[in-house]
Amino acid sequence: AQTVTQSQPEMSVQEAETVTLSCTYDTSENNYYLFWYKQPPSRQMILVIRQEAYKQQNATENRFSVNFQKAAKSFSLKISDSQLGDTAMYFCAPTMNRDDKIIFGKGTRLHILP
Amino acid sequence: NAGVTQTPKFQVLKTGQSMTLQCAQDMNHNSMYWYRQDPGMGLRLIYYSASEGTTDKGEVPNGYNVSRLNKREFSLRLESAAPSQTSVYFCATSPANTVREYFGPGTRLTVT
Repeated sequence: AQTVTQSQPEMSVQEAETVTLSCTYDTSENNYYLFWYKQPPSRQMILVIRQEAYKQQNATENRFSVNFQKAAKSFSLKISDSQLGDTAMYFCAPTMNRDDKIIFGKGTRLHILP
Repeated sequence: NAGVTQTPKFQVLKTGQSMTLQCAQDMNHNSMYWYRQDPGMGLRLIYYSASEGTTDKGEVPNGYNVSRLNKREFSLRLESAAPSQTSVYFCATSPANTVREYFGPGTRLTVT
């Protein structure tokens, strides 16, 4: 079975610190996509960052960046200068099938402390 | 431009009752999806529709039916609700030329 593993169920960091959320996955595909979604208490699913597996360069979006290690099947999210508004559940979500269906991990609950 | 809308936002059903969750999008996207999210879990795909008139099963389709009558709308029907279907349901859409999904606000369904 295809799996997505987020090994940190819950994390807490102080505001302004940097935090890294880990994700590993299992796929036999060579071309696929990887996403990090944020789900704040409002429940809305918000796309944080997107990576295409064929691109070697790691994606960045302002304070959010990824460390994509294709051979290791690892896709971690780094949040720099964390803010209170970053408090949320974060889901790692790669497409691991030929039909590009997204598979979600179980999430990491991130608390940013004032 | 409303994006992806879902109705209702909340619903309480008794076991055995039926209901339809509605999803509509104004982004002209081809693909539409229904997910469920249970506590402590990520989202799991129930059904999806790659284009108008086509539907396919996802990871957890049992107990559900779907209908994609036009490009804008994709409905999810529970014919005989069970407590195991208590969940938050998300609709999502995806354009034809790129892989990413846009999510609706979700529907919280409780079956007693």
